Amino acid sequence: SQQGEEDPQALSIQEGENATMNCSYKTSINNLQWYRQNSGRGLVHLILIRSNEREKHSGRLRVTLDTSKKSSSLLITASRAADTASYFCATVLMDSNYQLIWGAGTKLIIKP
Amino acid sequence: DGGITQSPKYLFRKEGQNVTLSCEQNLNHDAMYWYRQDPGQGLRLIYYSQIVNDFQKGDIAEGYSVSREKKESFPLTVTSAQKNPTAFYLCASSIVPGAPNQPQHFGDGTRLSIL
Repeated sequence: SQQGEEDPQALSIQEGENATMNCSYKTSINNLQWYRQNSGRGLVHLILIRSNEREKHSGRLRVTLDTSKKSSSLLITASRAADTASYFCATVLMDSNYQLIWGAGTKLIIKP
Repeated sequence: DGGITQSPKYLFRKEGQNVTLSCEQNLNHDAMYWYRQDPGQGLRLIYYSQIVNDFQKGDIAEGYSVSREKKESFPLTVTSAQKNPTAFYLCASSIVPGAPNQPQHFGDGTRLSIL
């Protein structure tokens, strides 16, 4: 069962621009996680934001969480060609067995 | 370097054949997971294991089987009962089962195709 939905499905921007991806979910969560997947590779964990947090930063990454709107956004500032990848959000539901529920991902292409 | 190793990277299955995908981790993680990824979709959970000699079905377990005889190893068998096995299979692990704020660590996947 999928609960996270990323928007847009695909995004193409120039190097140096900022990239924003959004994730919406349906039911109450314990936390929300963002992962990156380079083509043909496994996923790499980027950031985890807990349900009682509103914003987290890690380097050029900024994640926000709005539990009233059941949505999160991932901002990548000053994008680089190496940021080209698919980005997935995954939620851990409240009162669950802590499985991750995955969205379908946003494919990000950074043009040099 | 600690990590998760999946093998083989590419695998081809003939009609009626069972194939086994290997997943080994040296992270000393208790929990391990198998996911299936199809184009344009998110990951779907096949099986997970929180401790040696125990595993649970995920959302799409039909046609798959697993074992967890050692902490480090969690092989996945795609049986002939799985009629549409072509996909990218990802193995993951996390430190402590039952703890919500734990990221998962992934291997580099096995791409399975039908001959």
